[in-house]
Amino acid sequence: SAVISQKPSRDICQRGTSLTIQCQVDSQVTMMFWYRQQPGQSLTLIATANQGSEATYESGFVIDKFPISRPNLTFSTLTVSNMSPEDSSIYLCSVATGQEYGNTIYFGEGSWLTVV
Amino acid sequence: KNQVEQSPQSLIILEGKNCTLQCNYTVSPFSNLRWYKQDTGRGPVSLTIMTFSENTKSNGRYTATLDADTKQSSLHITASQLSDSASYICVVSYQTGANNLFFGTGTRLTVIP
Repeated sequence: SAVISQKPSRDICQRGTSLTIQCQVDSQVTMMFWYRQQPGQSLTLIATANQGSEATYESGFVIDKFPISRPNLTFSTLTVSNMSPEDSSIYLCSVATGQEYGNTIYFGEGSWLTVV
Repeated sequence: KNQVEQSPQSLIILEGKNCTLQCNYTVSPFSNLRWYKQDTGRGPVSLTIMTFSENTKSNGRYTATLDADTKQSSLHITASQLSDSASYICVVSYQTGANNLFFGTGTRLTVIP
């Protein structure tokens, strides 16, 4: 199993500012992801955080808006830049572990951001 | 278009009663299907994972079924408890890989005493 710690768990941010969310895993994992969950919506994959190289972004998400760092196999950060009220969401860190089909996927507790 | 649809959108049941949540998907090719429980303000927690060759899988009071022919899955909760109040999310993979997931919007279950 994997235990994921995210910080902050909740924050209220001013429009136009940026916030960095941290994700710490208790074991080394190859695959690490960042998701967004807008109010009442399902999870949407933002990007795959690649260790030692640039993150792989999904359609609709760009590095300038959501820069991601992955300095090692247990840690990653997601920055939400130049925030607007539309960025109010839960941001979730996720990891995949194991060798079985499809891997076992774990999620962090989420970082609940409200932009005012 | 790959999609995952869940029903009902929300459900209220009395404590101790059973309920069944539905998930229909059009994801193809199909790899596996997962059910997650998400408490309000928390991250999703895995309940079950099934491949196309599995028809049913249980985790305590939670039993998931899968019909890969009709592309339907259900999650049955037995003897519901107040702590079962949460959103239940169906997640379908269209090929092996943790970044190839399609998420349903979830069913919001409320268990009342």
